[in-house]
Amino acid sequence: EVQLVESGGDSVLPGESLRLSCAASGFIFSDYAMSWVRQVPGKGPEWVSTISDNGYDSFFSDSVKGRFTISRDNSKDTLYLQMNNLRAEDAAIYYCAKVNHRGAVAGNFDFWGQGNLVTVSS
Amino acid sequence: SALTQPASVSGSPGQSITIPCTGTSNDIGNYNYVSWYQQRPGKAPQLIIFDVSSRPSGISHRFSGSKSDNTASLTISGLQIEDEADYYCSSYSRGNSVWVFGGGTQLTVV
Repeated sequence: EVQLVESGGDSVLPGESLRLSCAASGFIFSDYAMSWVRQVPGKGPEWVSTISDNGYDSFFSDSVKGRFTISRDNSKDTLYLQMNNLRAEDAAIYYCAKVNHRGAVAGNFDFWGQGNLVTVSS
Repeated sequence: SALTQPASVSGSPGQSITIPCTGTSNDIGNYNYVSWYQQRPGKAPQLIIFDVSSRPSGISHRFSGSKSDNTASLTISGLQIEDEADYYCSSYSRGNSVWVFGGGTQLTVV
């Protein structure tokens, strides 16, 4: 059974940093690209970032480019999102999601974590 | 949102409904990585359609997807009370965002 378990969500002040983690199990983690998707309650999801299966390629939405970094440790089956210089508009539930096509960055999100709340407020 | 969906649709048990999702030639019109997600309150989105019209294992055959030009559609046949949820479309994109989502459609079964 595929499981994605996020951790690290917290309430922070604008300008502060936070690192989210996503522990994966139930599939060969190193075979699949992984993504972060966020959602403000009551709104549609917003894609944030994707990293390739080997970690060599990463992509970011314009709204977080230059402030967020995505990484993965395939030896620990864990995905990370380092968020720096957080803004009020970054407040959301952050989900890690698995991309469904083995070895490819392009695809669909077939499994999602339970979500982690990030609050940014002064 | 980059993709446009109606805010709400409704239907009676047993009926069929279709939710359209309109994009552009940068996303839906150019890629077959179109997906649909069902989301219940307080839960994560669940994939119900991928690659325009494929169903993941365990998803009812009552859910089907299609695409024409820049518009994708989700059809739910034989509506059941349990289908009440929010539905989101998504597409891979060559625009500024690699993936784009719709704003969501709330389905009410009355």
